[in-house]
Amino acid sequence: DAGITQSPRHKVTETGTPVTLRCHQTENHRYMYWYRQDPGHGLRLIHYSYGVKDTDKGEVSDGYSVSRSKTEDFLLTLESATSSQTSVYFCAISESGTTDNEQFFGPGTRLTVL
Amino acid sequence: AQSVAQPEDQVNVAEGNPLTVKCTYSVSGNPYLFWYVQYPNRGLQFLLKYITGDNLVKGSYGFEAEFNKSQTSFHLKKPSALVSDSALYFCALLTGRRALTFGSGTRLQVQP
Repeated sequence: DAGITQSPRHKVTETGTPVTLRCHQTENHRYMYWYRQDPGHGLRLIHYSYGVKDTDKGEVSDGYSVSRSKTEDFLLTLESATSSQTSVYFCAISESGTTDNEQFFGPGTRLTVL
Repeated sequence: AQSVAQPEDQVNVAEGNPLTVKCTYSVSGNPYLFWYVQYPNRGLQFLLKYITGDNLVKGSYGFEAEFNKSQTSFHLKKPSALVSDSALYFCALLTGRRALTFGSGTRLQVQP
C-alpha cells in the first residue's frame, strides 16, 4: 500500500460541531484529494490540492474547507457538521496529476454526525 | 458533462466462469479511464487504466478491460472468476481537474 494514513479512522460527533480529518502521506506526491463515499453515489470529489497552499473545489465542496501547509499533510474541515455529512471519507494522492498517474487511496475515515 | 455509468448494482457469477463488469462513459475529447476495486472496510485499489493505445488493457490480479470508443464503454473482464474476487468495483474517468469522476459501483459476488 502507498504510504497514506488517515486520522481518525472512526469518529462520532454531534450536529453543529467542527470536525477536522487528517491525511498524511510519505510519498512526496504533489496532488492530494478528498472524496466522500456514499451508497449509490460512488466516490465524489470534495476538494483537491495541487501543491502546498494550492487548493481547489470539487463537486461537493459546500460545508467543507481544506488546508495544505506541508506537502505531506492535507486537512479536511467540516466547519459545522450536519447529518448529511455522515459518510466515509477517503484521501487520495497522485504523483503529478497527469493522465499517466493513477491515484492511490488511504484507508478511509468513517464519520457519523448525530 | 463528463460522467461514468455502471448500469449493474450487482453481478453474480460462479467460480471458474468468466466475468464482466460494465462501464460506459460520456466525455468530450479523449477519455482516460480507470478501474478500482474495494474490499470490505478498505480503501480503493488500482486495477488498470486506459490512456491510449491498445483497446485491451491488462491489469492486476488477472483482470483486463476492453475499451470500445464507438460504444463509449470500458468493461472489466476476467476469464475465470475466483471467490476472492468478490468485492465492490468502480469505474472512473479522469476529469479536467485531474481528479476522478466515479461510477456508482458494482458489487461482484462470486459463488463457490
